Amino acid sequence: QKEVEQNSGPLSVPEGAIASLNCTYSDRGSQSFFWYRQYSGKSPELIMSIYSNGDKEDGRFTAQLNKASQYVSLLIRDSQPSDSATYLCAQRGTSYGKLTFGQGTILTVHP
Amino acid sequence: GAGVSQSPSNKVTEKGKDVELRCDPISGHTALYWYRQSLGQGLEFLIYFQGNSAPDKSGLPSDRFSAERTGGSVSTLTIQRTQQEDSAVYLCASSPGTETETQYFGPGTRLLVL
Repeated sequence: QKEVEQNSGPLSVPEGAIASLNCTYSDRGSQSFFWYRQYSGKSPELIMSIYSNGDKEDGRFTAQLNKASQYVSLLIRDSQPSDSATYLCAQRGTSYGKLTFGQGTILTVHP
Repeated sequence: GAGVSQSPSNKVTEKGKDVELRCDPISGHTALYWYRQSLGQGLEFLIYFQGNSAPDKSGLPSDRFSAERTGGSVSTLTIQRTQQEDSAVYLCASSPGTETETQYFGPGTRLLVL
C-alpha cells in the first residue's frame, strides 16, 4: 500500500464548478499535510498546508483534514481553466521533514 | 526575492557518464531537500540537508548517488555511471529553518540518459 494515495484521475469539471480532490495516507504519525499544484513542465507550488482537523479556507481553496479517517481533501470553488494542472497531496512524516507525495491527480477545467 | 535556482535546466548524457546537478536555495534557508520526479514513480525524496550535514539520506537509490552542501548554501547532487533509469526531473527545495517549515521548489533539472 502506498503511503499517500490520491483519487484516480483525470478529473474534468466545467468552468465555475467545484472540483474535489481527495487523498488518504497510512502514517498515523503524520502531522502536516500539503497540497501542491504543478503545471505541465513546471515545478510544484504550494497551495495549502493544513495541520489540524477541520477545514482551512484560502480564497477559492478549502483544505479539509480528518486524522481519524486519515483523509485530506482539497476543494476548488468556481473552478477556472487556469486551475487545470496536476494536484499533488503530500504529508510530512516524523522523520526530518521529508515530504511523501501521492501520485497526483490531473484536473482539467473546461470552458 | 529570488527563489530556488537549479542548473542546468536540461542535461543529456550518455550511459556511464557522471553528472553534477546544482541547487542554489533561497538566501538564508538552512534546510535543503532533493527530490526526483519520474513518470513511473511520481515525486520521491532523495536527501535532506540541515546546514552542511545530511541527517537523512534514506532516499538515495544507490551508491552511485551522492550529494554535498558547502557553506550552508549551494548543494550539488552527483550521479556516477549514469543509467537510463536515472532519467527524471531532479527537484531541489529549501525551507527557512527547521524541517517543519514550508518547502519551496526550484524549477528542476531534466536529466536524460541515452
